[in-house]
Amino acid sequence: GAGVSQTPSNKVTEKGKYVELRCDPISGHTALYWYRQSLGQGPEFLIYFQGTGAADDSGLPNDRFFAVRPEGSVSTLKIQRTERGDSAVYLCASSFVPTEAAEAFFGQGTRLTVV
Amino acid sequence: AQSVTQLDSQVPVFEEAPVELRCNYSSSVSVYLFWYVQYPNQGLQLLLKYLSGSTLVESINGFEAEFNKSQTSFHLRKPSVHISDTAEYFCAVSLSGAGSYQLTFGKGTKLSVIP
Repeated sequence: GAGVSQTPSNKVTEKGKYVELRCDPISGHTALYWYRQSLGQGPEFLIYFQGTGAADDSGLPNDRFFAVRPEGSVSTLKIQRTERGDSAVYLCASSFVPTEAAEAFFGQGTRLTVV
Repeated sequence: AQSVTQLDSQVPVFEEAPVELRCNYSSSVSVYLFWYVQYPNQGLQLLLKYLSGSTLVESINGFEAEFNKSQTSFHLRKPSVHISDTAEYFCAVSLSGAGSYQLTFGKGTKLSVIP
């Protein structure tokens, strides 16, 4: 596609529910990243995929968070037993090659609200 | 661990006036430096980056940033701002040669250009 696409753009869920957030990266980009941006903060790294595998998941806050990228393209971030503190904008980014210097292209994010 | 500090959360400036958005970083290893911009209702976009070589880097829309290793700074400047520059600006670093491709962001600076 023309850019990184994230769906849904907004998600409201009840505390304790399970949610899935989807990211469709730019075609041909092998690297995919998830970030979380809380109100008044900059984006915080969650997880990075190279192809189908999670190369770095050091930013996942706990075991309620999980992400997959089964075919090396679309990725899904899954959050179990949501808590009010999970409310944030979840950002997905992709880059053509995985290097420290590569430009990351960001989607517009999914705003998650846990009530 | 690395960190990024953006001292100013909001910067109002009159149209055609100069502006400087400050960014300082902390890291025990070499870093790459980035400025990302987020226009209203859009995703983060790369504005400019410093990888190596000349310490002064420029963007296509008139912004420039200078890497100062001794002061661990990467301040963003523009000599004359336009209304269209109204946006939130994020400074970010990645660790050079560390094999970790995550970006560490500052909290962002909201630039408001006043007509």
